[in-house]
Amino acid sequence: GQQLNQSPQSMFIQEGEDVSMNCTSSSIFNTWLWYKQDPGEGPVLLIALYKAGELTSNGRLTAQFGITRKDSFLNISASIPSDVGIYFCAGHVPSNTGKLIFGQGTTLQVKP
Amino acid sequence: DAGVIQSPRHEVTEMGQEVTLRCKPISGHDYLFWYRQTMMRGLELLIYFNNNVPIDDSGMPEDRFSAKMPNASFSTLKIQPSEPRDSAVYFCASGLAGAGNTIYFGEGSWLTVV
Repeated sequence: GQQLNQSPQSMFIQEGEDVSMNCTSSSIFNTWLWYKQDPGEGPVLLIALYKAGELTSNGRLTAQFGITRKDSFLNISASIPSDVGIYFCAGHVPSNTGKLIFGQGTTLQVKP
Repeated sequence: DAGVIQSPRHEVTEMGQEVTLRCKPISGHDYLFWYRQTMMRGLELLIYFNNNVPIDDSGMPEDRFSAKMPNASFSTLKIQPSEPRDSAVYFCASGLAGAGNTIYFGEGSWLTVV
């Protein structure tokens, strides 16, 4: 079945540093979504990408939908302590309307 | 606007007991999803519904798990009998067809089976 490979698995960075994480797949996806999960909460949608090559920003976050439709990255600039959490990529399967596949998550820790 | 509402938020139960988790999706959404999250397996899709009809239940672990959606504003996920390995966070999410396929999660039901 379809799988998403998300990397890195975890990151420990200094406040102020930039962060980059990515997801790759062997399958084509129609939509790429990036979520953040805070401890004890459900995942919250950060950015949604709908077409190949699309580059979208949300504050200090920037994400891109890869040209091949098999990958996406998320960048966080000038990290702050509240960026701590787990970041998930998710892809929408073309052949199965509604089904969203999630990556394994990237755990981000920010040292003040 | 109210988001996805799940109950209970936390439940501790004894092995063998029946567990029922409840979800109220965002009003107007026509897709509803049940996910399970564990450290080992991450976020797993268990089942999803479209217009109250189950579309894909291939992620349901075994016959002890069942899900229903009797109407557009309510769904249940039932585990009977529960086992310790069912301990996890269960998330309900909803979405709207044509709205970019984005889905919105509830805060989760934290289940511990002892």
